Parts: sequence; structure tokens; C-alpha cells
Amino acid sequence: EKVMTQSPATLSVSPGERATLSCRASQSIGTNLAWYQQKPGQAPRLLIYGASTRATGLPARFSGSGSGAEFTLTISSLQSEDSAVYYCQQYDDWPPWTFGQGTRVEIK
Amino acid sequence: EVQLVQSGAEVKKPGESLRISCKGSGYTFINYWINWVRQVPGKGLEWLGRYDPNDSYTNYSPSFEGHVTISVDKSINTAFLQWSGLKASDSAIYYCARSLKGFGYFDLWGRGTLVTVSS
Repeated sequence: EKVMTQSPATLSVSPGERATLSCRASQSIGTNLAWYQQKPGQAPRLLIYGASTRATGLPARFSGSGSGAEFTLTISSLQSEDSAVYYCQQYDDWPPWTFGQGTRVEIK
Repeated sequence: EVQLVQSGAEVKKPGESLRISCKGSGYTFINYWINWVRQVPGKGLEWLGRYDPNDSYTNYSPSFEGHVTISVDKSINTAFLQWSGLKASDSAIYYCARSLKGFGYFDLWGRGTLVTVSS
């Protein structure tokens, strides 16, 4: 099973500033990585797949990068509505597909 | 509207059986896999397994195989997640989510079903 580790656990960023979230895989997963956003009381929402492809309708301030075992989600100019928990997920090897433990993004 | 509509919250006792549902609409149901994902409130996401409505092929996470059963009724575009003997540790929110065949990312999610198992 491939273990996904996210850092930091919590990120506090001022509005308009850049937020950088990291995700590391225990083994190489190529670019078979997705990012999700989950707000309180809501289901997760797909943001990024293929490590860097934005989901339909996603604002351009969200971008994903990386390959192999190191990945990054960047929010270039944080908005208040971006306050949420963000999860990475590998779909390179299954079963099982696995998620990271999440990074909470707070607005400073 | 493209959506997955899940059944309502359930409260059960340990040892009881349960089946929750997930109905797809607005898209061709058999063209996508249906997955189930668990989330203990306040915790992270765990993938339970997936079902191909076209060929009935199912894969389970080793952590859940033998404890849950995933099935689909194609005639009503509905997927099911079933337990025959619930445990308190099964208390969680269960999401259904679709994925393109051959891919493991989830582009459409249901709103979740809260299952509470308590004596």
C-alpha cells in the first residue's frame, strides 16, 4: 500500500498571499495524483487530477505540480472561500487507492 | 443535472444489517465506476472499493474486504453499500463517488450518508 503524507497539517495564510501545500508518496506514483478540497459539512470536491490538470471550472489560482513522489498544490492568491481541508490521493496502485491525512488551510 | 443522490442517515445497533444507496442521474451510469469512501467525522478519507456497473467487476480495499459488499442495480442507476454485521467502528460518513473507467480520481461525489452504530 502506498502511503501519502501531507504537510503541513495546518497552514495559516493571509488573504491574497500564496499557499503551498505538499504531498509525498512512499513510492513513485508517476503523475497519478489528485487533489480535493473539503469544506465543513460538505463532500470533497475534485480540484486537480493527473498531478497538474485542473478540474472543470476550477479557478486559475489553483495549480498542481510534481511527479514521482513529491507533489505540490499552490493557491496563488488565497481567497476567504479557500478556507478548507485539502487532501491528496494516489491512484497509481490499487487496491487500495489512498489519501493523505489532509492539510487545513486557515485564513489569517 | 449530473449528480449522485445518497440515502438518508441511519442509526443502527451493533450486529445489525444495513444497506445504503447512491443513485446516479444526468449521465450514462454504466460508463463510470462507482466508488465508496469512508470518513470518520473529523478524520480523513478512506477508499473502500469500487464497482463497474457494466461488467459487475468489484475491487475492495484489503482493509474492508469481507466486511462490506458493494453492488449495483443498473435498472435504476443505483449503487449500494451493505453490511451484514455492523460494528461501532463502522460509525462514519460514507460517500459514493464516480470515477472514469480505468482512472482512480473521483470527479463527482454524493453528499454522504451518516451511519451511526451504537447500543
